[in-house]
Amino acid sequence: EAGVAQSPRYKIIEKRQSVAFWCNPISGHATLYWYQQILGQGPKLLIQFQNNGVVDDSQLPKDRFSAERLKGVDSTLKIQPAKLEDSAVYLCASSLVWGGDEQYFGPGTRLTVT
Amino acid sequence: QQPVQSPQAVILREGEDAVINCSSSKALYSVHWYRQKHGEAPVFLMILLKGGEQKGHDKISASFNEKKQQSSLYLTASQLSYSGTYFCGTEGGGTSYGKLTFGQGTILTVHP
Repeated sequence: EAGVAQSPRYKIIEKRQSVAFWCNPISGHATLYWYQQILGQGPKLLIQFQNNGVVDDSQLPKDRFSAERLKGVDSTLKIQPAKLEDSAVYLCASSLVWGGDEQYFGPGTRLTVT
Repeated sequence: QQPVQSPQAVILREGEDAVINCSSSKALYSVHWYRQKHGEAPVFLMILLKGGEQKGHDKISASFNEKKQQSSLYLTASQLSYSGTYFCGTEGGGTSYGKLTFGQGTILTVHP
């Protein structure tokens, strides 16, 4: 079974530029998550989708971050404009069902904002 | 609210045992445990659900005290491959159902 795919793996941008990350979850997984992991900390949930609907985005900085999940499969996370404090690893995860289920993480995208 | 993990770091020799604790201030529906190696994605180890159900790897054991909102991960006869950062993720009920809040992590180092 293929795992969660993410691209790109690394990205370096200057502040105020925009960037987009792509995620392809495990086939059949209805729930998709985007996490931000700052160095030395645990992952922080940014947004959660159930199929193509947003379940929770309470911790997403909506003035600069946006995300969508078209057709309930792939998802993209965008930052515009980026700030220095956005430097982090952005992890995508998926689970078969919503709630009480193991989450499978992708390899992440390491973003450096200079 | 972020769960609190203890200890922050553990150093072991191969074959020794370790316990990692996770404590929350809110009522929990489930506790998840993950291990992350440097530069890699977190890997699922175990989930403990309210009511006693557990799902996870056979070689990993853990407990969940629902009344105290605490969980412990037991690593016995440690191997070099156990090295990494261990995170607990807590899931509440109600509006917190389906949302994981991760602790700050416990760094485990196993030496030969």
